[in-house]
Amino acid sequence: DADVTQTPRNRITKTGKRIMLECSQTKGHDRMYWYRQDPGLGLRLIYYSFDVKDINKGEISDGYSVSRQAQAKFSLSLESAIPNQTALYFCATSDHSGFGMRDTQYFGPGTRLTVL
Amino acid sequence: AQSVTQLDSHVSVSEGTPVLLRCNYSSSYSPSLFWYVQHPNKGLQLLLKYTSAATLVKGINGFEAEFKKSETSFHLTKPSAHMSDAAEYFCVVSGIPLGAGGTSYGKLTFGQGTILTVHP
Repeated sequence: DADVTQTPRNRITKTGKRIMLECSQTKGHDRMYWYRQDPGLGLRLIYYSFDVKDINKGEISDGYSVSRQAQAKFSLSLESAIPNQTALYFCATSDHSGFGMRDTQYFGPGTRLTVL
Repeated sequence: AQSVTQLDSHVSVSEGTPVLLRCNYSSSYSPSLFWYVQHPNKGLQLLLKYTSAATLVKGINGFEAEFKKSETSFHLTKPSAHMSDAAEYFCVVSGIPLGAGGTSYGKLTFGQGTILTVHP
């Protein structure tokens, strides 16, 4: 979905390096999310943000941090990358439709990160 | 708690034959259910969603799914497969609210994925 962009699309780095993955959206949504995808495990939530001042940990937040610089931008950082953080990372957005449990999430194209 | 089980990790069909991708779910809440598709080196695209309206949901590209509460299933079907349908498909349930009060939303739980292969 071109409305949600992620940079870089691919990144190879070394153990111990600091890495930032960026996500931008033009959908005007308040809510943004970071997931990682591992083969056979589906997607798992790392962090989510309901607005610029609201950031929450997901189910696998250890080793990650995030920054919500603006409504349209949500960055994921790996302070000291390790090999088991090698994965495909997705950013997603959703609108607060007023019926929270029915929000539909729209995903970016993903960033493939390899930590050597 | 909520969970999703996609019953087949791989499905292989011939072009022009029907597609059936199976999904069972469990949820303590009245869930929303989604199917997403992921083509190689692409992001996740929403195929269809169920949100407590009609139990038979029609999506894009000729796909549809039927919500069966008694069977806790949400199987994805298509009458006739095309080569372009080859991809990985994810069944997703949304039910557990995250956040408090008005900021709650449904936590998404993803199935493990089903890889669909379409032969000429």
